[in-house]
Amino acid sequence: SQQGEEDPQALSIQEGENATMNCSYKTSINNLQWYRQNSGRGLVHLILIRSNEREKHSGRLRVTLDTSKKSSSLLITASRAADTASYFCAGFMGGSEKLVFGKGTKLTVNP
Amino acid sequence: DVKVTQSSRYLVKRTGEKVFLECVQDMDHENMFWYRQDPGLGLRLIYFSYDVKMKEKGDIPEGYSVSREKKERFSLILESASTNQTSMYLCASSHPGRGLYEQYFGPGTRLTVT
Repeated sequence: SQQGEEDPQALSIQEGENATMNCSYKTSINNLQWYRQNSGRGLVHLILIRSNEREKHSGRLRVTLDTSKKSSSLLITASRAADTASYFCAGFMGGSEKLVFGKGTKLTVNP
Repeated sequence: DVKVTQSSRYLVKRTGEKVFLECVQDMDHENMFWYRQDPGLGLRLIYFSYDVKMKEKGDIPEGYSVSREKKERFSLILESASTNQTSMYLCASSHPGRGLYEQYFGPGTRLTVT
């Protein structure tokens, strides 16, 4: 399966701590996106990192991409209870317009 | 405000029924997608469409068909619903761009087949 693998599957931290989520693929990935999903809702785009970028920041988010290792990480700094959600990576493999999503990391931030 | 809407948030159908899930976007996007989401399996692509009347199979197309007669509307059809099609169905749309454009998602339809 081309589906991405995310690690950890679930993460529970205290407010103010940093949260790191990792995503890896078995095949080469190009551009990669991260999405957030609040319980029972649709996904919302967080950040895009292009295949020629190694690191990108947006507010409290930091994303890295290592195309040689076929992996990406998402760091949320100074987490808040409102960050509680599931987070998904989505990679573009080339070819058609499909994104291949990971299985997601469920983050719980305790107040 | 950009928007992707889905016809129902919750739907309960009986085994063997024909089920239509509708998705409408108002952003003039060329690409539209149907995913199903199951616990522990993440999002899996069922079908996508890159233009009116054009479609391409995703990873799990069996038991499903799609229709795109107008640019803004993409329908997912379960020809004969089965209990293993109980799931959350998510529609999304985007501009074409080889992964450089975000997908906009609808709120999802939670389908239960009894």
